[in-house]
Amino acid sequence: EPEVTQTPSHQVTQMGQEVILRCVPISNHLYFYWYRQILGQKVEFLVSFYNNEISEKSEIFDDQFSVERPDGSNFTLKIRSTKLEDSAMYFCASRFRDLSSYEQYFGPGTRLTVT
Amino acid sequence: AQTVTQSQPEMSVQEAETVTLSCTYDTSESDYYLFWYKQPPSRQMILVIRQEAYKQQNATENRFSVNFQKAAKSFSLKISDSQLGDAAMYFCAYIINTGTASKLTFGTGTRLQVTL
Repeated sequence: EPEVTQTPSHQVTQMGQEVILRCVPISNHLYFYWYRQILGQKVEFLVSFYNNEISEKSEIFDDQFSVERPDGSNFTLKIRSTKLEDSAMYFCASRFRDLSSYEQYFGPGTRLTVT
Repeated sequence: AQTVTQSQPEMSVQEAETVTLSCTYDTSESDYYLFWYKQPPSRQMILVIRQEAYKQQNATENRFSVNFQKAAKSFSLKISDSQLGDAAMYFCAYIINTGTASKLTFGTGTRLQVTL
């Protein structure tokens, strides 16, 4: 069964460093998402992406964040200058183009630790 | 503001028994979808069950079923014949049908313990 994959599974970085989190969505999906979950808290929406542009972003997704789909398969989230409060689990999700089915398929997540 | 409320931070159930997790939501939209996701210790998000708001019939998936009360904006999850593998965090969530890349809005979760 097709699945969303994410790399790395765990990333440790120093405050102020740039990180890139990578995701490979399911191949025939057209909508892509990033969510984050700070430990012990709920899952929060960061950004949605469709047709090579951002569809919607939350207030969390400030100028330090960017997304791109560089090669038609990968979907990346970049944090330019990490802060301690960026430590969280980051989930990528994707969805098929069928608008009658809103199910999003989640990847296993990348745990980001900022020290 | 569009919110999802899960009023039970923790629940416990004995193996083979039935448990109900509650969820209420607040939206002024009429076209939306509701979901329950399971998050085991691995922290993977696993879809448990889905309900279309336009359907009156409650969704069921094997041992999992929902009680969807649209007027009350309530969407509870019933787990029958609970198993040890059901122990996890359970998140209620919804998507508003905007015809585009609609986002999921999650509740704060309920931690379910399953005891012998």
